[in-house]
Amino acid sequence: QQQVKQSPQSLIVQKGGISIINCAYENTAFDYFPWYQQFPGKGPALLIAIRPDVSEKKEGRFTISFNKSAKQFSLHIMDSQPGDSATYFCAAADRGSTLGRLYFGRGTQLTVWP
Amino acid sequence: GAGVSQSPRYKVTKRGQDVALRCDPISGHVSLYWYRQALGQGPEFLTYFNYEAQQDKSGLPNDRFSAERPEGSISTLTIQRTEQRDSAMYRCASSLGGGATEAFFGQGTRLTVV
Repeated sequence: QQQVKQSPQSLIVQKGGISIINCAYENTAFDYFPWYQQFPGKGPALLIAIRPDVSEKKEGRFTISFNKSAKQFSLHIMDSQPGDSATYFCAAADRGSTLGRLYFGRGTQLTVWP
Repeated sequence: GAGVSQSPRYKVTKRGQDVALRCDPISGHVSLYWYRQALGQGPEFLTYFNYEAQQDKSGLPNDRFSAERPEGSISTLTIQRTEQRDSAMYRCASSLGGGATEAFFGQGTRLTVV
């Protein structure tokens, strides 16, 4: 059973546009929500993360929006660049009980056209 | 080392053979995780260590899979009597401490069982 559901599976955006990737979860015990970026041939790398006590976190062109009541969170990439083309994974964890275990979504392959 | 190092990068083995995959975490990282990533999917949790103690092995698919971290540093994931369905990318990650703080992933070992 997929603990974290991610959409869309693939996304094509023009340079300068906004990329939006959505994730949903069921387990209300989750209290840590990271996004990972993965380039071909590389391991996933942490991009940005949020905890449920805030509704938004911004780092440069990357923003996480978090809706606790809807159990949804999303990644927004502003002014998307060709170098952003990668696979993005959302994840969630319950740091209280499952410690290091991250539950990942299935990933979104983002392509930014120049 | 500078990052999480995994070896070998690629492993082709015949069905029924045993394989051992190695992970060398970032120096000083207490927590070490093993994940398996199928093509087009997100990483799926296998097992987790805090120092040398295996804290959670609930993600190991069956008893052919085992892992150890005897001195709290390097870890080995062993798959006995490999089957074709074991073919996947096996990823190791490490972090400073438990609680799903930032996990750094290695480049992975691509296992192919023929």
